[in-house]
Amino acid sequence: RKEVEQDPGPFNVPEGATVAFNCTYSNSASQSFFWYRQDCRKEPKLLMSVYSSGNEDGRFTAQLNRASQYISLLIRDSKLSDSATYLCVASTGGFKTIFGAGTRLFVKA
Amino acid sequence: ETGVTQTPRHLVMGMTNKKSLKCEQHLGHNAMYWYKQSAKKPLELMFVYSLEERVENNSVPSRFSPECPNSSHLFLHLHTLQPEDSALYLCASSPRTYDQYEQYFGPGTRLTVT
Repeated sequence: RKEVEQDPGPFNVPEGATVAFNCTYSNSASQSFFWYRQDCRKEPKLLMSVYSSGNEDGRFTAQLNRASQYISLLIRDSKLSDSATYLCVASTGGFKTIFGAGTRLFVKA
Repeated sequence: ETGVTQTPRHLVMGMTNKKSLKCEQHLGHNAMYWYKQSAKKPLELMFVYSLEERVENNSVPSRFSPECPNSSHLFLHLHTLQPEDSALYLCASSPRTYDQYEQYFGPGTRLTVT
């Protein structure tokens, strides 16, 4: 079983749609969680941290369910510029920072 | 953005060559990382340095040799590589290692081994 598992997609959605990505992690000792965004042939960039209480940043909402070892990212009102690969990350700190393989999103006009 | 820079951006080398990748962070961070990203695979952590001391080596072949002369600079020395080592090599930094802070990535070096 992969340590961090994501649906690879691709997700093809029209502009304005709401899209949700899910991610599961296997290490119950994981304490920190993040979503990164990676554009084609570019480096990953931090999108948002994920807190136990859930957090929102504009059109983006992240949720964490520790009991199910599950993280989600919701994007509302999708824009063309949201097209990218979204990477889920679980970390116990230091060496044990594990990236998922990513979920590709295509937003079309 | 110039928080984390990497040179060169592209590198083509033969299997018998020796080359080095350079990373520099301008963020005042204490930890630096090397990752390998191959096509359709997750990022693979290679090395972690915290306060210039190597804290982890993820079973990386000895043909990859890291060096961290100070907290702002990180090198990856390459020698006798194999074609399967062709990948994007990403450097990242974070404020501290064990407090699980988010990482900031450089633009990467796209390496092709012929």
